[in-house]
Amino acid sequence: QSVLTQPPSVSGAPGQRVTISCTGSSSNIGAGYDVHWYQQLPGTAPKLLIYGNSNRPSGVPDRFSGSKSGTSASLAITGLQAEDEADYYCQSYDSSLSGSLFGGGTKLTVL
Amino acid sequence: EVQLVESGGGLVQPGRSLRLSCAASGFTFDDYAMHWVRQAPGKGLEWVSGISWNSGSIGYADSVKGRFTISRDNAKNSLYLQMNSLRAEDTALYYCAKPSMGSVGATDFDYWGQGTLVTVSS
Repeated sequence: QSVLTQPPSVSGAPGQRVTISCTGSSSNIGAGYDVHWYQQLPGTAPKLLIYGNSNRPSGVPDRFSGSKSGTSASLAITGLQAEDEADYYCQSYDSSLSGSLFGGGTKLTVL
Repeated sequence: EVQLVESGGGLVQPGRSLRLSCAASGFTFDDYAMHWVRQAPGKGLEWVSGISWNSGSIGYADSVKGRFTISRDNAKNSLYLQMNSLRAEDTALYYCAKPSMGSVGATDFDYWGQGTLVTVSS
């Protein structure tokens, strides 16, 4: 079954660094398809945070960074701020599904 | 400024139909594929369907295949989703999403609408 697996939740204190993992398989991340990350603040639409594994759209702070290796990807957030508290989703393409695939989402709590 | 405005959501009984619309502006609509993504209450994001710029390539999630039909009208800068045989599990906020690279396949989504809520219940 084609899935992207994320931890349900992560937390960190202001100023700390947290990472969110996204584990896929040979039909998606492992097949070489790019991974993208979205931030969804409560009650709002998702916002593109990282595209093409490690690229930031204009306006996204460099505190956010992405990486990919093998069948997994990671989102790192440094210098945590209260406004970073949100849900984060990874997304890739899956050749078995012939469509996009989202991870289950990770809720970030800033302590 | 890119804008995507969804409409057409509402309360519908199981087995009935509903048609969603997405009005696009601020970019050259017929240069891009377009997609629908949904989010059930309190749940994660689920890709629903995508359509190429000329409607020549279309894809659906297995969960909606055979029941939903995506279409577009480039003259009206509009995207549609015809939803038939609706089920309780189709209850969700439906987003219209624009791909950054114009693709119906592997792409990210750089702009999203605010969504339209579909509730399937008797």
